[in-house]
Amino acid sequence: GESVGLHLPTLSVQEGDNSIINCAYSNSASDYFIWYKQESGKGPQFIIDIRSNMDKRQGQRVTVLLNKTVKHLSLQIAATQPGDSAVYFCAEKGNTGGFKTIFGAGTRLFVKA
Amino acid sequence: NAGVTQTPKFRVLKTGQSMTLLCAQDMNHEYMYWYRQDPGMGLRLIHYSVGEGTTAKGEVPDGYNVSRLKKQNFLLGLESAAPSQTSVYFCASSRQNTEAFFGQGTRLTVV
Repeated sequence: GESVGLHLPTLSVQEGDNSIINCAYSNSASDYFIWYKQESGKGPQFIIDIRSNMDKRQGQRVTVLLNKTVKHLSLQIAATQPGDSAVYFCAEKGNTGGFKTIFGAGTRLFVKA
Repeated sequence: NAGVTQTPKFRVLKTGQSMTLLCAQDMNHEYMYWYRQDPGMGLRLIHYSVGEGTTAKGEVPDGYNVSRLKKQNFLLGLESAAPSQTSVYFCASSRQNTEAFFGQGTRLTVV
């Protein structure tokens, strides 16, 4: 079946460095991708999204890249801060199955001061 | 603006007991979802709803039932709780093809 997965379960970076979190997806019918951040004890929070007609989208300190050829998604965080420490999930949605969101397993980001 | 509100936040059940988790959203979203999250894992979809009066099964529906009698509410029921249902449950809502907004979660322990 379709799945969304992440390459690295844990990522540790120095404060001020850039972070890159990767995600692979396998459902070619997915046309909408979302990155969520989940802090301990809280629900996932939307960070940034991208639709399949784009290959890059930028937000405040975050950039999402989409490579449909290899079904790969990445989240780049510039100048990583201690407040960025959390678990990051990629998710996909498509026009099949009622637009339900399918989540990957998550990557935990540790930011060292 | 409350967003998505889940009640209760914590609950301990004995095996075989039943309970209902309530989710309420005030954003007039058509879609609502129930997920479970186990330690070190992502969110797995239990059931979802694409509109008032409709529900559908997700990835892990066994042992759960849902109802969406009103657009703003989505109820998740456990008829006979089992230890395997110990988890953190998240409700979310969205428009048709936009990001989902999540509640703060319900931590359920079945002993």
